[in-house]
Amino acid sequence: DAKTTQPPSMDCAEGRAANLPCNHSTISGNEYVYWYRQIHSQGPQYIIHGLKNNETNEMASLIITEDRKSSTLILPHATLRDTAVYYCIVRAGFTSGTYKYIFGTGTRLKVLA
Amino acid sequence: DAMVIQNPRYQVTQFGKPVTLSCSQTLNHNVMYWYQQKSSQAPKLLFHYYDKDFNNEADTPDNFQSRRPNTSFCFLDIRSPGLGDAAMYLCATSRAGFNEQFFGPGTRLTVL
Repeated sequence: DAKTTQPPSMDCAEGRAANLPCNHSTISGNEYVYWYRQIHSQGPQYIIHGLKNNETNEMASLIITEDRKSSTLILPHATLRDTAVYYCIVRAGFTSGTYKYIFGTGTRLKVLA
Repeated sequence: DAMVIQNPRYQVTQFGKPVTLSCSQTLNHNVMYWYQQKSSQAPKLLFHYYDKDFNNEADTPDNFQSRRPNTSFCFLDIRSPGLGDAAMYLCATSRAGFNEQFFGPGTRLTVL
């Protein structure tokens, strides 16, 4: 199963774009990349996912490199409420009716006023 | 709102005293998961249910058991908690074959 690596922490000024990188160099062709975030003392919250094309939703954009070995989550205008731990996850193979998540170590993003 | 509910949010138990954590969902999802998250670490999958089929992760200790009496409820039983079992326990659900997992707020377990 592919693993992910992320920087342990990042700071971002409020109102600026936050770019969170993730390395998944061993990802296989059918494995998706997911991003979740976890605000202190809460359960993880889904942000976005993708396979090979760039994706955008109301929360964020996901840029996946052409070789799929890395990706970047972009929060276009970070606010103080975006302060959280961001997890890059590879969705591993289908087994027993579901896909398993392999969580990365996470990046602790701090948005500064 | 459809959601994943975990009770209690905080649980204190004594070393070796069995404890049960509960999870319920109103999403009618057929897959339910239990994760363990220790301090400053990523969530680690313990096991999951696909309908009534139980699927244990290879490295989940025997001390951890689970029950799913119906679609809506799932329980995590820790038979003899040790100090190393102190953690946040997260329940999640998903529809089989679909992408997103929906997480509950977690139960923080303290072992004295």
